Amino acid sequence: SQTIHQWPATLVQPVGSPLSLECTVEGTSNPNLYWYRQAAGRGLQLLFYSVGIGQISSEVPQNLSASRPQDRQFILSSKKLLLSDSGFYLCAWSVVGTGRGEQYFGPGTRLTVT
Amino acid sequence: TQLLEQSPQFLSIQEGENLTVYCNSSSVFSSLQWYRQEPGEGPVLLVTVVTGGEVKKLKRLTFQFGDARKDSSLHITAAQTGDTGLYLCAGGWGKLQFGAGTQVVVTP
Repeated sequence: SQTIHQWPATLVQPVGSPLSLECTVEGTSNPNLYWYRQAAGRGLQLLFYSVGIGQISSEVPQNLSASRPQDRQFILSSKKLLLSDSGFYLCAWSVVGTGRGEQYFGPGTRLTVT
Repeated sequence: TQLLEQSPQFLSIQEGENLTVYCNSSSVFSSLQWYRQEPGEGPVLLVTVVTGGEVKKLKRLTFQFGDARKDSSLHITAAQTGDTGLYLCAGGWGKLQFGAGTQVVVTP
């Protein structure tokens, strides 16, 4: 069966510090991978998605970047955090080519920028 | 951009009551998913509907896809406290469009 991991679960970082959030997927090959940010109790904003190693599409211009160094690893980074980067970050994966659009989410990382 | 509007934004009911959550769009979707999210956790996929007019049942939850594939509804019969959560609809393929969610609170 497939599983998706995110770490850390929670993070408190000062403004101006760097960020690295990691997501890994097990039990599947060549998945599509996604990073979302969620405001408290609301819907999801797509930040980045990837269809393969080294292939990253950015949806929202911002202070963040993403990388996919391995097939099942997706990393969200920032060189200098802003207060507005606080939020709940979710990684998700989907199977390529099913046509059904289903995505499967990790447990999330709660980021607080102080 | 295909937009999904969910209503109501918030719903508070007592255990045993029924509830319906709506997801509407002006665009046609090839498929639509419903997710439930509990505080501090990632959304969990409940169902995918792909055919206009389709009705799917998951225990006390009934999902319907509109005939024109522009809208969907989620009906919960005899709600339980375990049904509390944020219900999200999402449509599309690849890059999903998510609704803003309906927060459901079921009290004993």
